[in-house]
Amino acid sequence: QKEVEQNSGPLSVPEGAIASLNCTYSDRGSQSFFWYRQYSGKSPELIMSIYSNGDKEDGRFTAQLNKASQYVSLLIRDSQPSDSATYLCAVNTGGGADGLTFGKGTHLIIQP
Amino acid sequence: GAVVSQHPSRVICKSGTSVKIECRSLDFQATTMFWYRQFPKQSLMLMATSNEGSKATYEQGVEKDKFLINHASLTLSTLTVTSAHPEDSSFYICSARDAATDTQYFGPGTRLTVL
Repeated sequence: QKEVEQNSGPLSVPEGAIASLNCTYSDRGSQSFFWYRQYSGKSPELIMSIYSNGDKEDGRFTAQLNKASQYVSLLIRDSQPSDSATYLCAVNTGGGADGLTFGKGTHLIIQP
Repeated sequence: GAVVSQHPSRVICKSGTSVKIECRSLDFQATTMFWYRQFPKQSLMLMATSNEGSKATYEQGVEKDKFLINHASLTLSTLTVTSAHPEDSSFYICSARDAATDTQYFGPGTRLTVL
């Protein structure tokens, strides 16, 4: 059984601070890792993808992957109110040919 | 990023009727598309994997005779909810896999309400 765990929150962060979102997964064979942002009533929007251990930066976002610990995280620097959303961690074990297994999501609130 | 469209965005139907949802990849070819369902305050759950030119693969617990999937071309997959009932009311979201980047892009979703 593939499982992806996230703290549901809400996680409240002041505007301008760093928001840190965490995710663990159970399947050691997982190869691809994604962070999606989902606003209420909307479909998920891809934020970051990461495939190898270490950090990957894209603008204000940094994804971190540690396969030994089966842990992936997302850092959002200089948090803005528009970053308030639910962040979904998704894992793929089949190199993209399989559907994604999603965590339940972390509800992030950026306080102005 | 790649664009995936879904139609309709919202549908309300009577119990017992069938509803067809279309998913299109607009600027890339998708040999594989996926159908997800999301109930309120829950995460996305994979229903089935749709492969162009072959039968769909359904996740455990998803009735293949109730949720008919057709993937007739590299840019179009359809999901038909047959004999819909109120418990089928949900947010249905498709995604398409861009093989060039090994990334799934999601459509905007279809909100189905069965009365």
